[in-house]
Amino acid sequence: AQKVTQAQTEISVVEKEDVTLDCVYETRDTTYYLFWYKQPPSGELVFLIRRNSFDEQNEISGRYSWNFQKSTSSFNFTITASQVVDSAVYFCALSDGELSFGAGTTVTVRA
Amino acid sequence: DTEVTQTPKHLVMGMTNKKSLKCEQHMGHRAMYWYKQKAKKPPELMFVYSYEKLSINESVPSRFSPECPNSSLLNLHLHALQPEDSALYLCASSQGPDIHYGYTFGSGTRLTVV
Repeated sequence: AQKVTQAQTEISVVEKEDVTLDCVYETRDTTYYLFWYKQPPSGELVFLIRRNSFDEQNEISGRYSWNFQKSTSSFNFTITASQVVDSAVYFCALSDGELSFGAGTTVTVRA
Repeated sequence: DTEVTQTPKHLVMGMTNKKSLKCEQHMGHRAMYWYKQKAKKPPELMFVYSYEKLSINESVPSRFSPECPNSSLLNLHLHALQPEDSALYLCASSQGPDIHYGYTFGSGTRLTVV
């Protein structure tokens, strides 16, 4: 069974628009970690955030923010005032003994 | 040093060749991982080394042979590959195999099998 679902395959926006990426996960463990990674065209996986299952506080880092809702098993990611440099594939991942990635969402920001 | 270094960055090899991918980290991490990523797909776990011992092998064909000579190095030996093995190969490390630790990924080796 798929552990991490990113229902949006591709999102295209114009610069300065906000973008929200959805992530829904599935696990039977009570202790787990959630991650978001960015993969630009160059290929490297860039770590954005790690959140443990006991910390439901939302987090903001610059133009990035994350909304963790344990009740709905979701860990959504918002880019505010998007920029062309935000164009990349974004992966949500779950670690409950093994790191499992979602299928990824390709974000294209047009100037 | 907070990086995972992978070499080479690009590799083209024939189906009869033998080559190796190298991964190095000097963060004192005791778990290291190989992932394979096909175009437009998420990374897929291949192998996990924990304290220099192979702990997970995700049913990877024997033409891929991992090796962990010491706690800082991880190799992936390639032999008799097929064109469908062309992919981005990512190495990662973490402080330990426990889920509490984050993962640091290298920039990958783009492998093309001709």
